[in-house]
Amino acid sequence: GDSVTQMEGPVTLSEEAFLTINCTYTATGYPSLFWYVQYPGEGLQLLLKATKADDKGSNKGFEATYRKETTSFHLEKGSVQVSDSAVYFCALKPGRGTPLVFGKGTRLSVIA
Amino acid sequence: DAGVIQSPRHEVTEMGQEVTLRCKPISGHNSLFWYRQTMMRGLELLIYFNNNVPIDDSGMPEDRFSAKMPNASFSTLKIQPSEPRDSAVYFCASSSQGAANTEAFFGQGTRLTVV
Repeated sequence: GDSVTQMEGPVTLSEEAFLTINCTYTATGYPSLFWYVQYPGEGLQLLLKATKADDKGSNKGFEATYRKETTSFHLEKGSVQVSDSAVYFCALKPGRGTPLVFGKGTRLSVIA
Repeated sequence: DAGVIQSPRHEVTEMGQEVTLRCKPISGHNSLFWYRQTMMRGLELLIYFNNNVPIDDSGMPEDRFSAKMPNASFSTLKIQPSEPRDSAVYFCASSSQGAANTEAFFGQGTRLTVV
């Protein structure tokens, strides 16, 4: 079945460091891909998405590119802030009316 | 829109008691999902509905769990009887079925503690 694998955490970075969180997927069709973020005590919020190969999703300085050839959707940010500390989830959606399939999440801690 | 609304935010109950979690999806959304989050297992899909009809409940852990969606604006997840291993954060999410790329919107979750 469809699945998402993302790098194990936790990840600890200093403020202004470069961030990469790896995500790869397995899917039978052509899914849409998402990154969600969860701040402490809150629900998941959509961070960015991409719907087809070579699409780049971006938001709040975060970016991810849909790479069909490597079945990847890695999350990057050039300069992280303390406020970016959260858990990040990579997810795919196989098609209309289907649920999101999530990776296990990666906890990011950014220290000043 | 107020977003997906879940109640209660926190629930502490004794083992063996019945627990009912509630969800109001975003108006106009016709897909609704119940997820459970634990440290050990991450986010697990329990059940989802399209147009108020349960489509896949294979993630419901056992017969103690049941979910209903009597109308487009309300869903419940019931655990009877509850057990300590049911302690988790339960999330409800909703989305529109309109296109494959539509995201799901999550509620704030209900933190359930069974003692």
